[in-house]
Amino acid sequence: GAVVSQHPSWVICKSGTSVKIECRSLDFQATTMFWYRQFPKQSLMLMATSNEGSKATYEQGVEKDKFLINHASLTLSTLTVTSAHPEDSSFYICSWEGPGEKLFFGSGTQLSVL
Amino acid sequence: DAKTTQPTSMDCAEGRAANLPCNHSTISGNEYVYWYRQIHSQGPQYIIHGLKNNETNEMASLIITEDRKSSTLILPHATLRDTAVYYCIVRVGQTGANNLFFGTGTRLTVIP
Repeated sequence: GAVVSQHPSWVICKSGTSVKIECRSLDFQATTMFWYRQFPKQSLMLMATSNEGSKATYEQGVEKDKFLINHASLTLSTLTVTSAHPEDSSFYICSWEGPGEKLFFGSGTQLSVL
Repeated sequence: DAKTTQPTSMDCAEGRAANLPCNHSTISGNEYVYWYRQIHSQGPQYIIHGLKNNETNEMASLIITEDRKSSTLILPHATLRDTAVYYCIVRVGQTGANNLFFGTGTRLTVIP
């Protein structure tokens, strides 16, 4: 199946700093990609939908100025958590709308904010 | 948006078939049924999807009822590596994830 690379796998940062998470589709190109977050023992929650060349659409309750999405190309997107706080600690996952009407997911990034 | 309901958890003996049910009684005519699974601390993995016909691939089989209000994912010979949370999702293909709703899923435990 198609491969999505996400890194870092985990990151620990101090409160108030910013963290950038990168997500690449390695063997296919796609216009649309998504960012999710997942708290322990909970399901995935969609944060935003991003189309290359357009501004991302954020779900209700997700602050666009806090979670900056840069959809640089058909294979690269980044999520920057700005001024991170302990409540932002979560598992962040990206996915791309890939071939065959399927979503392909990255391996996730565990963010811990101290 | 159609949503799904699944049992919270299930156990299955290693080597036996695992049958995971899903109800999607409000599914629309153009919505597909997708199954993904998530192994602990990893991103979800695509398993299979279908519209109205039964589907089979190297991982699993998907049985969709004639009225499309429910479906069953079948792992024919469960192994310990199949222990994961399985998500049943309905969505319109290739129109974005605005309507992509991950429910609580079914936590499948394969027992030796």
